[in-house]
Amino acid sequence: ETGVTQSPTHLIKTRGQQVTLRCSSQSGHNTVSWYQQALGQGPQFIFQYYREEENGRGNFPPRFSGLQFPNYSSELNVNALELDDSALYLCATAGYNEQFFGPGTRLTVL
Amino acid sequence: GQQVMQIPQYQHVQEGEDFTTYCNSSTTLSNIQWYKQRPGGHPVFLIQLVKSGEVKKQKRLTFQFGEAKKNSSLHITATQTTDVGTYFCAGSYTSGTYKYIFGTGTRLKVLA
Repeated sequence: ETGVTQSPTHLIKTRGQQVTLRCSSQSGHNTVSWYQQALGQGPQFIFQYYREEENGRGNFPPRFSGLQFPNYSSELNVNALELDDSALYLCATAGYNEQFFGPGTRLTVL
Repeated sequence: GQQVMQIPQYQHVQEGEDFTTYCNSSTTLSNIQWYKQRPGGHPVFLIQLVKSGEVKKQKRLTFQFGEAKKNSSLHITATQTTDVGTYFCAGSYTSGTYKYIFGTGTRLKVLA
């Protein structure tokens, strides 16, 4: 196991609502990345946090935002949910030359 | 923009046959990583390649990074049913960051 946990496991929301997803790691790695993986697709990079600061962002609108806390755990917030936001959301902590992915949160937007 | 293409999309092989997936980028990569994702699971790191022309082996798996650092391949010798899953390459264009562009993946099915 990677030691990366995510909560909740599954979530169902309706269009227009807001959601917060959480990620924590036992490893103490100070870099965390968030990815969105639609069904049958590869993970798409959302953003990355390093020591509580955003340190790189993919092609996602501002309604996708995040936080990293002093203990390096992290949150992904999505406002004004759209149907296309339905996906598996993965967080990954970065060790030396590799990334450790959590099990993901499956978000369904109705 | 930066894109990583991966082929084939699907591959069905008989157990014991070999398998190869290819990854191509339009621009030079800083490094490339390979992951395996089982159905219903999350990506699991396999390896990172950094140097031009680098070749690394893990038991039956052989990974190559092209001389121009624009392409990479993963070759599995004598596939087993445990090799089933989707194999992703993920390229980084900037050294020292963890922003990775994932390929579309190759889904491997192994028939016993």
